[in-house]
Amino acid sequence: DAEITQSPRHKITETGRQVTLACHQTWNHNNMFWYRQDLGHGLRLIHYSYGVHDTNKGEVSDGYSVSRSNTEDLPLTLESAASSQTSVYFCASSDRGRLGNEQFFGPGTRLTVL
Amino acid sequence: QQQVKQSPQSLIVQKGGISIINCAYENTAFDYFPWYQQFPGKGPALLIAIRPDVSEKKEGRFTISFNKSAKQFSLHIMDSQPGDSATYFCAASEGSSNTGKLIFGQGTTLQVKP
Repeated sequence: DAEITQSPRHKITETGRQVTLACHQTWNHNNMFWYRQDLGHGLRLIHYSYGVHDTNKGEVSDGYSVSRSNTEDLPLTLESAASSQTSVYFCASSDRGRLGNEQFFGPGTRLTVL
Repeated sequence: QQQVKQSPQSLIVQKGGISIINCAYENTAFDYFPWYQQFPGKGPALLIAIRPDVSEKKEGRFTISFNKSAKQFSLHIMDSQPGDSATYFCAASEGSSNTGKLIFGQGTTLQVKP
């Protein structure tokens, strides 16, 4: 069965360190998204991609970067982790042209920045 | 800028009761309105969705009511069950553009007491 996976599921890091969160999908979807979830803010879009070598900034992109070298993967990098980036991160994917834009979410990564 | 506002932030309902969650949007170009359900430790998953050409959509115990003139839509859960306890997110997008981007509300944590 097709799926979307994230790793690691939990990560503790220190302020200033570079961190990369992995996202891998086997749906063969063109669209991929990264969100952060914080209480009271819902799901906020960090970055998104519509295909290989395409990346776009979302609502809260400062301090984050992504790259898309293939269809299956969209890693999220925190260049210099800050305590404000402590959050739960979700990756999602959807099919270009599919009516309804249903997004399929991964299980999330809980990141703690000390 | 929050384009989709969701209320209440939390909701407690007795088993068998009706749960109602409301959302309001600003962008009149939105034409796709999904609701996502998220259980603890899991990623959100599509529950039900509506387009503005209808005022109501029902799937089992879950109903979306849509008021285009007021730019509001709501989720009604009839005969609420303890298994419905989860976080619910409304969202909106310009489906016709096929961008796949969703703007999420802040989320509502629903607790159904037995």
